[in-house]
Amino acid sequence: EVQLVQSGAEVRKPGESLKISCKASGYSFTSYWIGWVRQMPGKGLEWMGIIYPGDSDTRYSPSFQGQVTISADKSISTAYLQWSGLKASDTAMYYCARSPGPRHNFDYWGQGTLVTVSS
Amino acid sequence: EIVLTQSPGTLSLSPGERATLSCRASQSVPINYLAWYQQKPGQAPRLLIYGASTRATGIPDRFSGSGSGTDFTLTINRLEPEDFAVYYCQQYGSSPQTFGQGTKVEIK
Repeated sequence: EVQLVQSGAEVRKPGESLKISCKASGYSFTSYWIGWVRQMPGKGLEWMGIIYPGDSDTRYSPSFQGQVTISADKSISTAYLQWSGLKASDTAMYYCARSPGPRHNFDYWGQGTLVTVSS
Repeated sequence: EIVLTQSPGTLSLSPGERATLSCRASQSVPINYLAWYQQKPGQAPRLLIYGASTRATGIPDRFSGSGSGTDFTLTINRLEPEDFAVYYCQQYGSSPQTFGQGTKVEIK
């Protein structure tokens, strides 16, 4: 069974750094892409970027380029999303999701990680 | 960037009725790479349709997708109580991938 299990909710102050995770199981981690999607409170879905754990090829939406870093550790089948200087506007639910390719839909989703940034 | 506009914003229907949701793209979606997702409160989105008209694994046949180019439709025949949710379209044929703003299907 394909599963994407994300790390738990986080509360941080503006300016702090954060790295959240998405652990995959039930399939070959290096054969699929993992993407990240933001959902701000009460809002819609925003595509942030995607990584291929097989060779770490990473693509970002222009809206998120330079704002976040996507990475993966294939030895532990885990993808990451990180910030080096959080802002209050980063408060949102973040989902990881599996994709067959950089130009494909997402077929399996993680449960989401709520990030709250507040002073 | 392709902008997807979904309409209506909210659809108020009764169980057993048909729901017709629209997703219009600002430019042609390459290869009809258009997907539909369902999201219920407190849950992650779930893939319903990809390639504009192919149902994902395990999706009931009351869900159907159609359309091409810039105009796409998700139809839900005979609404069941569990179908009341928010629905999003997504284009994945052009970078960056984009989502529509969502259509809420609520119980009338």
